[in-house]
Amino acid sequence: IAGITQAPTSQILAAGRRMTLRCTQDMRHNAMYWYRQDLGLGLRLIHYSNTAGTTGKGEVPDGYSVSRANTDDFPLTLASAVPSQTSVYFCASSDPGSSGDTDTQYFGPGTRLTVL
Amino acid sequence: AQSVTQLDSQVPVFEEAPVELRCNYSSSVSVYLFWYVQYPNQGLQLLLKYLSGSTLVKGINGFEAEFNKSQTSFHLRKPSVHISDTAEYFCAVSAYTGGFKTIFGAGTRLFVKA
Repeated sequence: IAGITQAPTSQILAAGRRMTLRCTQDMRHNAMYWYRQDLGLGLRLIHYSNTAGTTGKGEVPDGYSVSRANTDDFPLTLASAVPSQTSVYFCASSDPGSSGDTDTQYFGPGTRLTVL
Repeated sequence: AQSVTQLDSQVPVFEEAPVELRCNYSSSVSVYLFWYVQYPNQGLQLLLKYLSGSTLVKGINGFEAEFNKSQTSFHLRKPSVHISDTAEYFCAVSAYTGGFKTIFGAGTRLFVKA
């Protein structure tokens, strides 16, 4: 089934540890995104990639890094996790410009991260 | 830059009653408008979108939304809700400024009561 997969589903992490959240899509979409969802704040963009080999900073990039070595994968790394990074993380993809689809985003199921 | 405001954080409603979830936006350029739905413990999925043309847009599950340019609004409506419509609904605005940028509202939690 085409779509986006994220791993892990959930994780409890000690503060100061390094963590990589994985995201893979099989729709061959050019653009990919990482959001965090916090109660009352909606979705906030962390980082994005318009195409393989390029990345950009979103609204809340501090403490996070990403890479886009190929079209399908877009991992998000927390170099040294802090409790304020406790959140639900969603990966999404889009293919703006294809078939007139102007940036409809397709979301993964999310990763629930707790930093203690 | 664009922004999105969802005017209600929670909307409780009885089953089979009509509902309207409000969304206002601001932007200095032309925008595309979206409503996404998030069911418990799931990711967001597209409900409907306005790109151009008719200002009344119909989506899945009997929802519709009307684009009002003069009031910069894109309110979501359903004439008769079901228990299964209980979810969080997000309004989003996308604009092209050298690349697409999408901003999501804070969300409205629709709670349908029996």
